[in-house]
Amino acid sequence: RKEVEQDPGPFNVPEGATVAFNCTYSNSASQSFFWYRQDCRKEPKLLMSVYSSGNEDGRFTAQLNRASQYISLLIRDSKLSDSATYLCVVNIRYGQNFVFGPGTRLSVLP
Amino acid sequence: NAGVTQTPKFRVLKTGQSMTLLCAQDMNHEYMYWYRQDPGMGLRLIHYSVGEGTTAKGEVPDGYNVSRLKKQNFLLGLESAAPSQTSVYFCASSYSGVAGVYNEQFFGPGTRLTVL
Repeated sequence: RKEVEQDPGPFNVPEGATVAFNCTYSNSASQSFFWYRQDCRKEPKLLMSVYSSGNEDGRFTAQLNRASQYISLLIRDSKLSDSATYLCVVNIRYGQNFVFGPGTRLSVLP
Repeated sequence: NAGVTQTPKFRVLKTGQSMTLLCAQDMNHEYMYWYRQDPGMGLRLIHYSVGEGTTAKGEVPDGYNVSRLKKQNFLLGLESAAPSQTSVYFCASSYSGVAGVYNEQFFGPGTRLTVL
């Protein structure tokens, strides 16, 4: 089993739709969790950290379920500019143990 | 404030040639990382450094060497390039390596390397 798994995608949704991404991780010792976005042929950029209590940033909501070892990202009212690949990232203990999921590609269509 | 920069942006090598990729950060971060990204594989850690003068192996270190002589620079070397090393290489840095404490990683724009 891969350490971090994500929905295979791609997701093609119309503008204004709500879309949810799922991520599971295998190491119960994981400490920090992040969502990054990566535009085509660009570097990954931090979208948001994921906290135990869940957190929201505008149209984006992240949830963490430690018992199920599951992370989610919800995008509401999706925009054309949200089209990108979304990477789930898990940090096991110290900074060197970041593990990236393969990513899920999102295309928001007009 | 340039963040994380990488040189070169593109490079084509022949099998057996050597090269060095340079990463520089101006955020005074302690931790620096080199990743490679291949289609369908996600990012994989090659080497990392937890401070000036220290380096350590990541998930896929074979065929690469690194050095961190100055805090702001992290160099990745390929001694004898192979076609399997064709990839996009990303450098990243973070303030901290302690989980949950300012350990978000900031990435450079990447180097696209092709080995023929």
